[in-house]
Amino acid sequence: QKEVEQNSGPLSVPEGAIASLNCTYSDRGSQSFFWYRQYSGKSPELIMSIYSNGDKEDGRFTAQLNKASQYVSLLIRDSQPSDSATYLCAVRGQAGTALIFGKGTTLSVSS
Amino acid sequence: GAVVSQHPSWVICKSGTSVKIECRSLDFQATTMFWYRQFPKQSLMLMATSNEGSKATYEQGVEKDKFLINHASLTLSTLTVTSAHPEDSSFYICSAKRQVGAEAFFGQGTRLTVV
Repeated sequence: QKEVEQNSGPLSVPEGAIASLNCTYSDRGSQSFFWYRQYSGKSPELIMSIYSNGDKEDGRFTAQLNKASQYVSLLIRDSQPSDSATYLCAVRGQAGTALIFGKGTTLSVSS
Repeated sequence: GAVVSQHPSWVICKSGTSVKIECRSLDFQATTMFWYRQFPKQSLMLMATSNEGSKATYEQGVEKDKFLINHASLTLSTLTVTSAHPEDSSFYICSAKRQVGAEAFFGQGTRLTVV
């Protein structure tokens, strides 16, 4: 059973702080890793994708991947109240297979 | 990013009736489409994977005769919930993937309520 684990939270941070979201996965053969943001009642939207070890930065978002530890994280710098949402970690094994999602971490940014 | 349109965005139906949900890739050809279901405060659970022109592959525990999936073209997949019951009430989301590339793009989701 392929699993993706996330701390459900809620993770509460003040506005302007760094939010750190973590995810572990069980399938060592996983090749693609994604972070999605989902607002209540809405469909997930892609924030970041990462495929190789190391860091990938896009604006205020940084994804980090460590395949040896089977760990992927998302850092959100200068957190804003509009970042308050559920963040889903998703992992894909072989090309063409479906994404396996974690249960999501709820982030709350207070102003 | 690519655009995936899902219709309807919400539907209320009576118990025992059938509901069809459409998922269209508007600006790309989707060789593979995925159907997910999400219950409140739960994550997305994969129901089935469909490739254009072939039968869908269902996840364990998902009744293929109840959740009919058709992927007749490279831009359209449909999910029909047959003989719907209140326990089928959920948020159904489709996702479409190009042949090349790892990213999948999501539709807006369909909120199904069976009364």
